[in-house]
Amino acid sequence: KAGVTQTPRYLIKTRGQQVTLSCSPISGHRSVSWYQQTPGQGLQFLFEYFSETQRNKGNFPGRFSGRQFSNSRSEMNVSTLELGDSALYLCASSPSPGGNTEAFFGQGTRLTVV
Amino acid sequence: KNEVEQSPQNLTAQEGEFITINCSYSVGISALHWLQQHPGGGIVSLFMLSSGKKKHGRLIATINIQEKHSSLHITASHPRDSAVYICAVNGNQFYFGTGTSLTVIP
Repeated sequence: KAGVTQTPRYLIKTRGQQVTLSCSPISGHRSVSWYQQTPGQGLQFLFEYFSETQRNKGNFPGRFSGRQFSNSRSEMNVSTLELGDSALYLCASSPSPGGNTEAFFGQGTRLTVV
Repeated sequence: KNEVEQSPQNLTAQEGEFITINCSYSVGISALHWLQQHPGGGIVSLFMLSSGKKKHGRLIATINIQEKHSSLHITASHPRDSAVYICAVNGNQFYFGTGTSLTVIP
């Protein structure tokens, strides 16, 4: 069974640009969650999608958005990039939402904003 | 105020030692997760707990819901256990501890 796949693995963007990251969950998993990890703030929850609907959202500005497709693949978008958005972005998939089942993480996308 | 507190932040142990990492949380939760992160970023889910105790190989995780506390134990530690261990709880959203960086010396 293939694991969680995140693309791209590394990305360099300029301030003010926008970026789209992709996450393909494990086959059969319908829940995808996104997290931001920085040295200063650690891991922080961005949002969770289940069956194409956003179920929960963390405390991030509206520049951070996401969506989920009918095949459960998810994308997150960050608009008007700031230097502070430089981070490792991780996604995790699970069979059902709500954090009551085991989550499987991807390798992450390391975003650098210059 | 952090919803999840972990201790210690850093831990160095000799190979073979018994290791304990602690996690306390302040929110109501439906589940607690222990995660392992190796250099390079990859995260592996070790345990998901809502009560009691779970064991997987040399790793044991316990949770006390009344005291809002969980521990992760590693028996007979090995250098390959060197990683960052992160406690995460599922309340109204996910909250994460800052992690415990473990180094096991041969």
